[in-house]
Amino acid sequence: AQRVTQPEKLLSVFKGAPVELKCNYSYSGSPELFWYVQYSRQRLQLLLRHISRESIKGFTADLNKGETSFHLKKPFAQEEDSAMYYCALRRYGNNRLAFGKGNQVVVIP
Amino acid sequence: IAGITQAPTSQILAAGRRMTLRCTQDMRHNAMYWYRQDLGLGLRLIHYSNTAGTTGKGEVPDGYSVSRANTDDFPLTLASAVPSQTSVYFCASSAQGGSYNEQFFGPGTRLTVL
Repeated sequence: AQRVTQPEKLLSVFKGAPVELKCNYSYSGSPELFWYVQYSRQRLQLLLRHISRESIKGFTADLNKGETSFHLKKPFAQEEDSAMYYCALRRYGNNRLAFGKGNQVVVIP
Repeated sequence: IAGITQAPTSQILAAGRRMTLRCTQDMRHNAMYWYRQDLGLGLRLIHYSNTAGTTGKGEVPDGYSVSRANTDDFPLTLASAVPSQTSVYFCASSAQGGSYNEQFFGPGTRLTVL
């Protein structure tokens, strides 16, 4: 079975400081990795997917199969980045997502 | 385009009562899902449906049932609510087939069982 681990529940950073959210997974096959974000009073939405290799709102995430990680990074945090972030994994060819427990990020002005 | 709608927005329910949470999508997505969100536990899949007429159990299905009579609707029923079912419930949908299909989420239903 696949599993997603996000070790820190709460992360507080100052505005302008770098932020990194860790995500490790366990899955023996070829995973599909995602980061979802939930801003206050808004619905959950997709932030990044590993296949796209893109930067969204300044965030990037690289899939490291050797370390089974998909950490989310942003070099300079902004106040609007305060949100709950979830890492998620999907087995190839399967629709269902397995979510981590989430990281609450608070950006201090 | 509404996307995914859920009703009610919130509900307080007495233990033992029956409750149906409604979910409707207008994106013609084949696959739909129900999750519960609990502090410290993240999102956990309750039930899912890959296409109309089929359903499957997720990670935490006990105490819940679903039906998928058509493409658009995916109601979640609590036959006899218990306090441990107090949670925020999210419905989601995605296109069937292909890799990396994004799941789109509804606004959630906050349920309190007393």
